[in-house]
Amino acid sequence: AQTVTQSQPEMSVQEAETVTLSCTYDTSESDYYLFWYKQPPSRQMILVIRQEAYKQQNATENRFSVNFQKAAKSFSLKISDSQLGDAAMYFCAYRRGNDMRFGAGTRLTVKP
Amino acid sequence: NAGVTQTPKFQVLKTGQSMTLQCAQDMNHEYMSWYRQDPGMGLRLIHYSVGAGITDQGEVPNGYNVSRSTTEDFPLRLLSAAPSQTSVYFCASSPTSGYNEQFFGPGTRLTVL
Repeated sequence: AQTVTQSQPEMSVQEAETVTLSCTYDTSESDYYLFWYKQPPSRQMILVIRQEAYKQQNATENRFSVNFQKAAKSFSLKISDSQLGDAAMYFCAYRRGNDMRFGAGTRLTVKP
Repeated sequence: NAGVTQTPKFQVLKTGQSMTLQCAQDMNHEYMSWYRQDPGMGLRLIHYSVGAGITDQGEVPNGYNVSRSTTEDFPLRLLSAAPSQTSVYFCASSPTSGYNEQFFGPGTRLTVL
């Protein structure tokens, strides 16, 4: 079974600084999607960014970018110019077909 | 569009009671799913459906039943609640199974005493 590992239960960053959240996954498949979801205290799951495994180019969405290393099965999220509103739980997720697996999450604190 | 809606937002049950968590989406999505979120474990897939009349088990299906009689609705039933089912439950949908992002409902916090 595919597994997703987030090795950092908690991270903190100073406002306006950059932080990187780590994620590794295990799969024998070559075609899949990877996602980062944000969960603020409201509990709502919000998509931050997605990456198609067949694309070599790393996805970017404004201040959010990923470093996708397919051979290493690594999918890290970089948040630039961190803002107070970025404080939340962040979940890395893998999806292929009907199966979707999530990591345990990283709690990000942003210090003013 | 309301997106994915879930009711109730909060529920307290006693051990052995039954209840149904409701989920509906108005985006005409084929794929719908249920997850539970427990501290330190992320979200885990309970059941999913790829269309009306078609359901299948996910990673943690025991103790839960589902059915899908319409495209819009995908209720989750607990026939005899147990304290181990205390969790936050999320419903999600996507246009198809495969590789699309999933859209999540706001979640239901369930406590079983």
